[in-house]
Parts: sequence; C-alpha cells; structure tokens
Amino acid sequence: QKEVEQDPGPLSVPEGAIVSLNCTYSNSAFQYFMWYRQYSRKGPELLMYTYSSGNKEDGRFTAQVDKSSKYISLFIRDSQPSDSATYLCAMTNLVNAGNMLTFGGGTRLMVKP
Amino acid sequence: DVKVTQSSRYLVKRTGEKVFLECVQDMDHENMFWYRQDPGLGLRLIYFSYDVKMKEKGDIPEGYSVSREKKERFSLILESASTNQTSMYLCASRIYRGLKNYEQYFGPGTRLTVT
Repeated sequence: QKEVEQDPGPLSVPEGAIVSLNCTYSNSAFQYFMWYRQYSRKGPELLMYTYSSGNKEDGRFTAQVDKSSKYISLFIRDSQPSDSATYLCAMTNLVNAGNMLTFGGGTRLMVKP
Repeated sequence: DVKVTQSSRYLVKRTGEKVFLECVQDMDHENMFWYRQDPGLGLRLIYFSYDVKMKEKGDIPEGYSVSREKKERFSLILESASTNQTSMYLCASRIYRGLKNYEQYFGPGTRLTVT
C-alpha cells in the first residue's frame, strides 16, 4: 500500500463547479500538508500548505486536513478552465531526515468552458 | 522569483548511453533534489543534496548518481541508460532556513526517452 493515495482521475467538471480533490495517507506522523499544482509540461508549483488539522482558505481555494481520519482535501470554488492541471498532495513530518516530502500520485482536473 | 532551470526539456537516448541531466537554481538554496515522475506513481525521490559536495540517496537511487560541485548546480547521471529509466525528471531546490523549510521549487522537467 502506498503511503499517500490519490485518485488519478481524470476529473472533468463544467466551469463554475465546486471541485473536491482528496488524499488519504497512512503515516500518522505527518504534520505539514501541501497541495501542488502542475500544468501540462511544467514543474509542480506550491498552491497551499496547512499545518496539522483544520482549514485554510486562499481566494477560491480551501485546504482541509482531518488528521483523525488521515484525510486531506482541496476545494476549488467557481472553477475556471485555467484550473485545469494535475493536483498533487504532499506531506511531511518535519522530523524525518531532511524533511522529505511524500507525494500522492496526482489527480488530473479538467474544467470545461 | 525563484528560478530552477533544467538543461533540456526533451531528450532521447539509446540504451547503454551515459546521460547527464543538469539543473541550476538562482536563489542560493542549500538543498537540491532530483525526482522522477511516472503516471500513477507521483514523484519519487532519486537523490538529494544538502549542500555542495553533499549527497544522500532517496527512495530509488539504483542506476543513478549525482554531482554537486557548485551550490547552484545539481547534476543527475544515468551511468548506463535503460528503457525503464524513460520518465519525466524533475529537479527542485529548497531554502534551508525559516518556517518554510518544506517548500520546494521545481524546474520545468526533462522528459527522457531511452530507446
């Protein structure tokens, strides 16, 4: 079993829809949770990060962490065609050697005009 | 803005060739990383470097080596390329101070095909 699981999609939604992207993980030591966005033929870029449990909002994006369920989510409100990308979750416990990130496999999102 | 550049966007090599992938970052970051990205498998760490001349194996180092002679440059070497090394290779760098110790900045990637 992978340490971080993510549905690969593709997830296809109409413009304006609310999108929910999710990851589950098995290592209860993870404390920092990140979402990276990767456009086609580009490297990933950090979108949001959250420490421990709770919600964090940034514009149309909300990151949610439920450590008791080992489940994290990224919500995108009023989705736009420019949101079409692959979304990767990543996490770390900051006490492992080198603070390495563990990535999910990524979910491909397509927002249709 | 942090900029991480990689020497090639696309590369085609033959089995058995020695392959060099170069990565340069312009923000004086101490830490640098090499990942490969394959469909459904996400990013897997090959090697990382804490600083100049320092290197540590990641999760999948077999068949690869690295070199870091200067702070801004981190090279990935495929000693004898094989078809199972066909993949997208991503370089990343990270500043090693402050609260954002986890944040990594990625280059655009090199898509390597070994035939």
